[in-house]
Amino acid sequence: DAKTTQPPSMDCAEGRAANLPCNHSTISGNEYVYWYRQIHSQGPQYIIHGLKNNETNEMASLIITEDRKSSTLILPHATLRDTAVYYCIVRALYNQGGKLIFGQGTELSVKP
Amino acid sequence: DAGITQSPRHKVTETGTPVTLRCHQTENHRYMYWYRQDPGHGLRLIHYSYGVKDTDKGEVSDGYSVSRSKTEDFLLTLESATSSQTSVYFCAISEVQETQYFGPGTRLLVL
Repeated sequence: DAKTTQPPSMDCAEGRAANLPCNHSTISGNEYVYWYRQIHSQGPQYIIHGLKNNETNEMASLIITEDRKSSTLILPHATLRDTAVYYCIVRALYNQGGKLIFGQGTELSVKP
Repeated sequence: DAGITQSPRHKVTETGTPVTLRCHQTENHRYMYWYRQDPGHGLRLIHYSYGVKDTDKGEVSDGYSVSRSKTEDFLLTLESATSSQTSVYFCAISEVQETQYFGPGTRLLVL
């Protein structure tokens, strides 16, 4: 299973874009990049995922580099409620039921 | 939010007693998972199920058993709880190889 590397913590001003980087240099061709977040004491919340192309939904955008070795999650207008730990996960769909392997994540603090 | 509930939400028990945690879904998803979360380890897969009566081990399955007799329920049993099993337990569900959605978690303290 490919490993991911994320900065342990980041700060962002409220209303500004939050750009969370992730390195996954050993990713295989059939592995997806998933992002989840976990707000204190709650279950992980799905944000977005992608394989090769950039993706956007109502929560965020995901930018994957052309060589797929890194990606960036973008929260376009961060709010205080976006303060959470963000996990970048590389997932092989056919490994142990498509299990998610969580690393340590990035603790994002959105400040007023 | 996906229709996932976990019970109990909090439990305190003593070493050596059996404990069963329940995950219930209303989404009719085929896959169900049990993870545990501990400081410094992130979430780790305990067991998962890919259908009624079909289960398999994850990476930290020792000391745990599971059962799934109905699509909607996935039970996690600690046959004889130990202090090392003090943790937060999360259930997740997914349709075949699709996005996993997580429940609210169960906080278990083994004294």
